[in-house]
Amino acid sequence: EVQLVESGGGLVQSGGSLRLSCAASGFNFSSYWLSWVRQAPGKGLEWVANIHQDGSEKYYVDSVEGRFTISRDNAKNSLYLQMNSLRAEDTAVYYCGTVGWGGYVGLWGQGSLVTVSS
Amino acid sequence: EIVLTQSPATLSLSPGDRATLSCRASQSVSNYLAWYQQKPGQAPRLLIYDSSNRATGIPARFSGSGSGTDFTLTIGSLEPEDFAVYYCQQRSNWPITFGQGTRLEIK
Repeated sequence: EVQLVESGGGLVQSGGSLRLSCAASGFNFSSYWLSWVRQAPGKGLEWVANIHQDGSEKYYVDSVEGRFTISRDNAKNSLYLQMNSLRAEDTAVYYCGTVGWGGYVGLWGQGSLVTVSS
Repeated sequence: EIVLTQSPATLSLSPGDRATLSCRASQSVSNYLAWYQQKPGQAPRLLIYDSSNRATGIPARFSGSGSGTDFTLTIGSLEPEDFAVYYCQQRSNWPITFGQGTRLEIK
């Protein structure tokens, strides 16, 4: 089955760290750019970060630059998001996704909730 | 950063009606615009990419149009399962941005 499954979310205190993982199956993982997109409770979508097929290029939205790190392990078909110096405004459901057609998410995970308490 | 403004915020229609959703960009995004559908508790689903191309498995009642700064998503005849929130998204410039969403609700 073609799918992405996130894990690693939870409750963390402000200033703390958390690492999200995204496990892929059923498709050629190493062929895709990958992304993290988040959605604060009751709010819209925000694109957080992108990573090239081989990890050589990474892009971040300004609000997480310097605090979050996107990475991947193609041998393990896995995507990661290391989140440091977390703030209350980082509270959201975090979705991993495959990026196709130059910049759209075609396959989404089910999401992982990160709650940052102040 | 390119700002996408969707209108209306909420659209109240009945099954069988035609729905027209708008997305306006703060600067030209050429045709690099997509539409997603999101139902409560679910991840978004890609409907339309590059303004007018339906993604795999998307019914023909969904169509997209526009270029530059003005875009439209049309749902030809609403089915009960179409009532959801719809987002537009541009890939023309980094950061990739989304509109704030249009909620399509049953009248």
